[in-house]
This record gives sequence, structure tokens and C-alpha cells, in this order.
Amino acid sequence: DGGITQSPKYLFRKEGQNVTLSCEQNLNHDAMYWYRQDPGQGLRLIYYSQIVNDFQKGDIAEGYSVSREKKESFPLTVTSAQKNPTAFYLCASSIDGQGPLYGYTFGSGTRLTVV
Amino acid sequence: DQQVKQNSPSLSVQEGRISILNCDYTNSMFDYFLWYKKYPAEGPTFLISISSIKDKNEDGRFTVFLNKSAKHLSLHIVPSQPGDSAVYFCAASPTSGTYKYIFGTGTRLKVLA
Repeated sequence: DGGITQSPKYLFRKEGQNVTLSCEQNLNHDAMYWYRQDPGQGLRLIYYSQIVNDFQKGDIAEGYSVSREKKESFPLTVTSAQKNPTAFYLCASSIDGQGPLYGYTFGSGTRLTVV
Repeated sequence: DQQVKQNSPSLSVQEGRISILNCDYTNSMFDYFLWYKKYPAEGPTFLISISSIKDKNEDGRFTVFLNKSAKHLSLHIVPSQPGDSAVYFCAASPTSGTYKYIFGTGTRLKVLA
């Protein structure tokens, strides 16, 4: 079955450490996105990529980094520079050019907790 | 500055009745609107969408209404079922070529059996 796989589902990190969240899709989608969800807030865009080897900052990119070396993969690194990293992270993908009325396909998320 | 607002954090409805979820937006450049449904510990799933050239779109039990002059959209679920209990997010996107959706804060719907 086609879909987006995020791993791990739960992740614990010590303060000062970098951590990488995995996102893989087998939908052959061109565009991929990372969102963050905090309690009482909507989903906020961290980074997005419309094509391999290219990505753009979203609204809250500070303290995060990404790479897009393969079409299927869009890992997110939460660096020690991110001041409030504890959150629920969602990866999504879409077919570029499909049109804005079809939305994204989301993964099931990774809950990151800094201990 | 919250460009997409869902002012009701929660809503309870009896099974079989209508559920109405509301969403307001401030940016007049938004032309595409979507609703997502999210269960706990899962990613959101796409539910229904509407463009600004229409004022209504239906898909089975789900209908989205758009009032562009009031910058307001609503999702109607008729009849409501216990399986509809979830968090519902509205999202909006401008007409630019990159479809970056702005999400509301979500409304938790509970359908009571």
C-alpha cells in the first residue's frame, strides 16, 4: 500500500543533542513538507521541498534542518538550537501540479520529547 | 497573527444530529480551503475542499459552505456518527504556485451515542 512512513513514533532526546526524524513516501509525490503541532495551535510549516536537492524554509525553520537527496525521503533534523523542540511532528507529501484542492497526504507523526 | 481561526476548541453533538464546525480567515488572498480530520496519534486525513469560485461543496454526509464576503467557512456533517469524533482542522491556501496551507487550531468534535 502507498503511503508515508514516519519513524520513530516516539522519540526522546536529551537537551543539547541533535535528533533526526525520518519520513519516507512511496506515493511518487514530488513535494514533501514538515509541520509541527503544539497543543492549542494549528499545524505550522517548518520546511518544504518541491524537488530533489531543493528545499525552502517555512514559517518556523529556525533550529531545524532538512535534506532531500532522494524523491522518497525528506528527513528532518532538530538541532540543539531549537529552543522548544518538544512537539508532534508531521510529514506530508503532495503531487506538485495536482492543484491545491487535493491537499496533502500526511504520515502518522513523531512525538518528540526533550528530557 | 492567526490567519485561520477556529474559535470553538470543542463541540459535542448527539448521534444523528447535525455537526457544524466553523472557520474564519483574515487573508483575502486565500482562494482554496480544505478540511482535515485527525484521530489521536495519527496524521490528519483530507476530508473535503472548496475553491473561492464556489459557495458550497458536498461529499456524502459532509458539506462545506464558503462565505467569501464574511471570510467564513463551515463544515456540516449530517447525520453525525460516533466515528466522526475527531479533531477537525480547516486549512487555507492562496493562489500562488506553491500550495502552502495555513492551518487553524482545530475543533475537537465528540459525537455522543
